[in-house]
Amino acid sequence: NAGVTQTPKFRVLKTGQSMTLLCAQDMNHEYMYWYRQDPGMGLRLIHYSVGEGTTAKGEVPDGYNVSRLKKQNFLLGLESAAPSQTSVYFCASSFQGDRVTYEQYFGPGTRLTVT
Amino acid sequence: AQSVTQLDSQVPVFEEAPVELRCNYSSSVSVYLFWYVQYPNQGLQLLLKYLSGSTLVKGINGFEAEFNKSQTSFHLRKPSVHISDTAEYFCAVSPNTGGFKTIFGAGTRLFVKA
Repeated sequence: NAGVTQTPKFRVLKTGQSMTLLCAQDMNHEYMYWYRQDPGMGLRLIHYSVGEGTTAKGEVPDGYNVSRLKKQNFLLGLESAAPSQTSVYFCASSFQGDRVTYEQYFGPGTRLTVT
Repeated sequence: AQSVTQLDSQVPVFEEAPVELRCNYSSSVSVYLFWYVQYPNQGLQLLLKYLSGSTLVKGINGFEAEFNKSQTSFHLRKPSVHISDTAEYFCAVSPNTGGFKTIFGAGTRLFVKA
């Protein structure tokens, strides 16, 4: 049981380049999330998904797109990277409506630098 | 809407000393409360959570937190810290109508000195 995995772990992009971050979970969770973490700002929600084929915007969605074609995968895309997108990106997942565990399970993160 | 304020950005403490990390929240609805811990170069992991019932919640690694509804606080405590507790700690809140929208505080960096 690997939990939540993220690919890649590190990436350096030049301004204007595109890339896709992959998140995979093997816990059969309905909900999945993408966050970015910046110093002094905690975690900010970029996009989330409440099930296969559905996505929604979070707090800071501009410049990002997502897709959830399979329940276990949640992809985050940057179409034209900007230096402001330099950050650490975390994927997380959680059960749907489970009153016992309203907790999120996090991946190890992807450190992205845009030059 | 909910918001979370962690009152200290950094807390240095000597090994075996007690520590308290402070968290205040605001919400117009009832909430669930969480503390997560992030060790260097890792993702977040749940330390403890308050859903309902007893206001004193015990978590992993000897941590505990107390929910105070009147003061809208959820402070994290440990009576004796270890070097291995050095990490960043995040307080988080979710509306109890659905736990999928969680708001995280800015984090408190706990630095335990020998």
